[in-house]
Amino acid sequence: QVQLAESGPGLVKPSETLSLSCTVSNYFISDGFYWGWIRQPPGKGLEYIGYIYRTGDPYYSPSLRSRVTISLDMSKNQIFLSLTSVTAADTAVYYCARHATYLGSYKQGLDSWGHGTLVTVSS
Amino acid sequence: QSVVTQPPSASGAPGQRVTISCSGSSSNIGSNYVYWYQQFPGTAPKLLIYRNDQRPSGVPDRISGSKSGTSASLAISGLRSEDEADYHCAVWDDRLSGPVFGGGTKLTVL
Repeated sequence: QVQLAESGPGLVKPSETLSLSCTVSNYFISDGFYWGWIRQPPGKGLEYIGYIYRTGDPYYSPSLRSRVTISLDMSKNQIFLSLTSVTAADTAVYYCARHATYLGSYKQGLDSWGHGTLVTVSS
Repeated sequence: QSVVTQPPSASGAPGQRVTISCSGSSSNIGSNYVYWYQQFPGTAPKLLIYRNDQRPSGVPDRISGSKSGTSASLAISGLRSEDEADYHCAVWDDRLSGPVFGGGTKLTVL
């Protein structure tokens, strides 16, 4: 069964860049599937950030598109998230997850999640 | 404001049946599969229902999902205290070319 594990700094200063990694186990990201990032501010709902496929074509949520970059390293089996110019509003638990597929369609929900990592934006 | 809406809260007594709605539009629920997640405090969401009404192994059959038009519902019958959690719906939106989540519903077992 695929496993995902997020890692990165738990504290980032305002105006700096948030950088997280997601290590995938028991599955090679080069074999397919779409891989996404989701965040959840304390006490709030889930917000979809974006996804990437093995070809490297990313999708970003319109609300974060100007500040976010998602990339991957197939040799390390990792997916990365970068969010620039962070503010307190970016404080959240950040999750990486895998998109389900059905009959070749990637327009599905997420079927496997990491445990999440809390990132606090504060000086 | 999410393009897909859920009631912020729902409640029911033990043994009762409760439903949680997820309302969208033709570009999301009306044309794509709905997924439901259960989330306990401090933990990651867990897949509860996929493709509108399918249960992953291990999810009891007292939990069910349905979809009609541009709305979907999650039903939990024989409510138990351990069902007290947050529930989120998710669906692909063709207009955004990406997935969206509902705002989440906090279920309280009275």
